[in-house]
Parts: sequence; structure tokens; C-alpha cells
Amino acid sequence: GQQVMQIPQYQHVQEGEDFTTYCNSSTTLSNIQWYKQRPGGHPVFLIQLVKSGEVKKQKRLTFQFGEAKKNSSLHITATQTTDVGTYFCAGYSSASKIIFGSGTRLSIRP
Amino acid sequence: ETGVTQSPTHLIKTRGQQVTLRCSSQSGHNTVSWYQQALGQGPQFIFQYYREEENGRGNFPPRFSGLQFPNYSSELNVNALELDDSALYLCASSFGVAGFGDTQYFGPGTRLTVL
Repeated sequence: GQQVMQIPQYQHVQEGEDFTTYCNSSTTLSNIQWYKQRPGGHPVFLIQLVKSGEVKKQKRLTFQFGEAKKNSSLHITATQTTDVGTYFCAGYSSASKIIFGSGTRLSIRP
Repeated sequence: ETGVTQSPTHLIKTRGQQVTLRCSSQSGHNTVSWYQQALGQGPQFIFQYYREEENGRGNFPPRFSGLQFPNYSSELNVNALELDDSALYLCASSFGVAGFGDTQYFGPGTRLTVL
């Protein structure tokens, strides 16, 4: 069946360093969403990407959707302690509905 | 806060029992999705309800069932609980036509422990 892989599983960075998480689907997606989940919290919607090759920015966060609509990335520039949490991608397809990646847990050294 | 509420917050059951979890969606939202999140994993889609009808289901057995009410609140029922059912159960509401791609707003979840 369809799979959505996310790497890395963990990332520990110094505050101020950049961070990137990658999401890869085994099949073409209709769209992809990104969520952030703080420890002990629930997923919070960040953004949705729909178009092939789409790039969206939210302040220090940059989201990309691959040309083939099978991969996506989230890049955070100059991380801050408030960025701590687990970042999930969620891929949508008509066949499998929605599949979440396993997440990338970001921790930051002050 | 999203306006999506879930009850109860925590629940402890024993194997073989039945459980009902509840979700009140955000005002104006007509779609509710339920997810199971095991520790350290991403949420797994259980099913979705749109205007009181089931609109898609993930790879969960029939002992996982649900309802959506006219006010768009929802219930998740799990029969014959198994140890592996221990997880955080999340509901998410959205507005729009049936199907995904709409922004989902998650509730705080119900932590279910099966002993």
C-alpha cells in the first residue's frame, strides 16, 4: 500500500542553526499538509501545498512540494527554542485518503 | 485553541471492554476525522464523517465504529479492546465538501490505556 516516509526521525540542533525535514511518498499525492506537534500536545496545521513545484514561506519556514508531487520538505532558517516539537507531513490521495509520516522530532540546544 | 473539544481526557480500560470517545467539532465545520496516534508515531487515519455519513476509512477493523450527529459532533466506539489499542485518539474537524485537502483542526485528544 501507499507509504509516506519522513526523515530524519530526530534532529538535534544548536539554536540559530537551520533544520530540514523531508517527506517521500511511494505514490503521487494530490496535496500535502504539514503539521507541528509540541510535546504533550496535538497536531497544529502549518500549511497545505497543492501544485507541482510549489514553494510557500511562513517567516522562517519554507515549504516545498516536488515536481512529481511525491516528495516535500520543510526548512526552518535560524531555529529558535519555540520551534521545538515534532513535524509531520500528511499526504493526500484519492486512493488512500490521508497518510501521515512518522514525523521528525526537533530538539534545540540553547 | 482550535475550538475542537474531546472527552474524556484520559481513560483506562481492560482488555475486552468497550469504549466511547466523544468529539465536538469547531463551529461551522461539517466534517470530522478520527485518528489513532501511538507513542512516537504519526497519526493513523481511522475514518471520516461528512454530514453524518462515513466518508472513507483507514485500515482499522470493524470493531472501530463511529457516528456523527446532526450538530456534527462525533463519537468513536471501540469494541473488544486489545492492548494495542492503547494510544492517543485524536479527532479533527474541517469544513468543506467530502474528501481531504481542507484544513483540519485537531482536538487535544483522549489518552486511552488498555490493561
